[in-house]
Order: sequence, then C-alpha cells, then structure tokens
Amino acid sequence: ETGVTQSPTHLIKTRGQQVTLRCSSQSGHNTVSWYQQALGQGPQFIFQYYREEENGRGNFPPRFSGLQFPNYSSELNVNALELDDSALYLCASSLDVGSTDTQYFGPGTRLTVL
Amino acid sequence: AQSVAQPEDQVNVAEGNPLTVKCTYSVSGNPYLFWYVQYPNRGLQFLLKYITGDNLVKGSYGFEAEFNKSQTSFHLKKPSALVSDSALYFCAVRDRVSGANNLFFGTGTRLTVIP
Repeated sequence: ETGVTQSPTHLIKTRGQQVTLRCSSQSGHNTVSWYQQALGQGPQFIFQYYREEENGRGNFPPRFSGLQFPNYSSELNVNALELDDSALYLCASSLDVGSTDTQYFGPGTRLTVL
Repeated sequence: AQSVAQPEDQVNVAEGNPLTVKCTYSVSGNPYLFWYVQYPNRGLQFLLKYITGDNLVKGSYGFEAEFNKSQTSFHLKKPSALVSDSALYFCAVRDRVSGANNLFFGTGTRLTVIP
C-alpha cells in the first residue's frame, strides 16, 4: 500500500450540489495530481498541484477546482454537480514534479451523482 | 500529445502459464512509460516504469515489461501467472498538459487467470 489516503471512500450527491474530496500525500511528496476515472475507462487527468500552486490542468471545466495546503495535502472541489461527474476520483502524489517521477495513487473516492 | 493503446480489453490465461498484456504508444520525444494494476474497489498500484536504459524493465510481483522502440510497444509480461494476478491493468505514458507532467492512460486490459 502507498501512503496516499483519500476521504471519504464513497459519496452520494444530487445534481447541482457541491462536493469536496480530500487527499493526504505520501510523506515527503510535494506534488499531487487528481484524476477522474469513469466506469470502464482509464483515469483522466484533472489537474496537478505543486508546492501549493496549480501546475497544469486537463480538459475539465472551471467548476472543478482544487487546493494544496502547506503540508501538501490537497482538496478537489466540484461545483454544480452533473450526472456525468459520477466516477472514481483518484489522487496521486509524487516526490517532485519531474517527468520521470512515479505517481503513487490513493484508493479513490467513489462519487455518485443522482 | 502523447497516447497509449491497449488493443485487448480482456486477456485470459491459465494459472502457471506465461502472460502478456499489450501496450503500444505514440509519443514525440523520449517515451516515459508506466504500468499500473487496479484491483476491485482499489486505486492504482504502480508496477514498473521505463525511463531509459535497458529495454527489459523488472517490476513488482514478478512482472516485467519489454520496451521496443521499433514497434513502439511496451508489453507487460510475467513468466508464470497466478490467480491473484487477476485484475485490471493500465499502461500509461507521461504527457505534458499545460505545464504538468501528468499520465495519459490507456483504456485498460482485464486479466483473468484461470485456475
């Protein structure tokens, strides 16, 4: 098991609501990336945080936002939830932001939007 | 942009037989390639990566992968499959999106090891 933890494990929301997902990085890691994994698909990159700043963003709308804290833990916020937001949300931490650094994933948060 | 393809949705293999899970890539520049495994209701576990050097990369749980530049492939292999290897396997390539070194994943291959 990696040292990456996520909470909550499962979450059920209704359309239009807002949700916050949390991630605790592996010790010593300063970079956190978030991914969305829809059912039957591979994970898709949402955004990355490095030393508390957003370091890049995938093809997701602005209602997906995030934060990284001084201890390098992170939050993913999704506003105005849509049915298609139902997915497994994965965070991954890495030692640094370099291209060869391995990303270690947490167990994920399963979000269901009704 | 970089991409990977996993041509097989499902691979079945008998326990004790060698297994191969296929992955091909398309990149500009040097490819940085990764394999992850996902068990039911779990996150992704890192198996191995190719950055540079020896074309045969050894990883966790007895898995290895062969990097083939001419065929643009990075197939995952194991000499003798275990029932516990049954899982969903993802190949990924390092991509670069708006400054971030993220991972671009394939669609996954479900491996079933038959006792």
